[in-house]
Amino acid sequence: EAGVAQSPRYKIIEKRQSVAFWCNPISGHATLYWYQQILGQGPKLLIQFQNNGVVDDSQLPKDRFSAERLKGVDSTLKIQPAKLEDSAVYLCASSLVARGNTGELFFGEGSRLTVL
Amino acid sequence: AQSVTQLDSQVPVFEEAPVELRCNYSSSVSVYLFWYVQYPNQGLQLLLKYLSGSTLVESINGFEAEFNKSQTSFHLRKPSVHISDTAEYFCAYAPVYGQNFVFGPGTRLSVLP
Repeated sequence: EAGVAQSPRYKIIEKRQSVAFWCNPISGHATLYWYQQILGQGPKLLIQFQNNGVVDDSQLPKDRFSAERLKGVDSTLKIQPAKLEDSAVYLCASSLVARGNTGELFFGEGSRLTVL
Repeated sequence: AQSVTQLDSQVPVFEEAPVELRCNYSSSVSVYLFWYVQYPNQGLQLLLKYLSGSTLVESINGFEAEFNKSQTSFHLRKPSVHISDTAEYFCAYAPVYGQNFVFGPGTRLSVLP
């Protein structure tokens, strides 16, 4: 079974530039998450999708971050314009269950963003 | 406030020694509890979870964790660690009737030869 795929693995940009990250979840997983992991901290949820609908985006900085999950499969997270404090690893995760938390989160390897 | 606390940011330990990684949580609702492990340059992987039933849960590689409701803790233990256990360990919880996972800041376990 293929895992959660993310790209690119690494990205270096200058502040005020834009960047996009892509995630392809495990086939059949209804729920998709984007997390931000700043160095030395635990993952923080940015946005959660169930199929192609947004379940929770309360912690997404909507003035600069956007995300979409077209057709309920893969997803794109965009940052425009980037700030220095956006330097982090962006983790995508997916889960089989549509509701509830008895299921396991499967994580991709992450996309490491450095903003100079 | 809902949160997960991992008091030890780094834990160095010699190979074959026992280890305990501490986790405390704060939540106003019933929760499920999880430990995730992140090996260098890899994504997070589920190590073990507590959903219900026996308060002691085990992983396939010798780790165990015990849910203590009165102390709101879910400490992770292993009686004898290996070099290959070197990784970052994250404690997390998720509300029983919700969908969001809340992660702690992580504990970096370094196993020394």
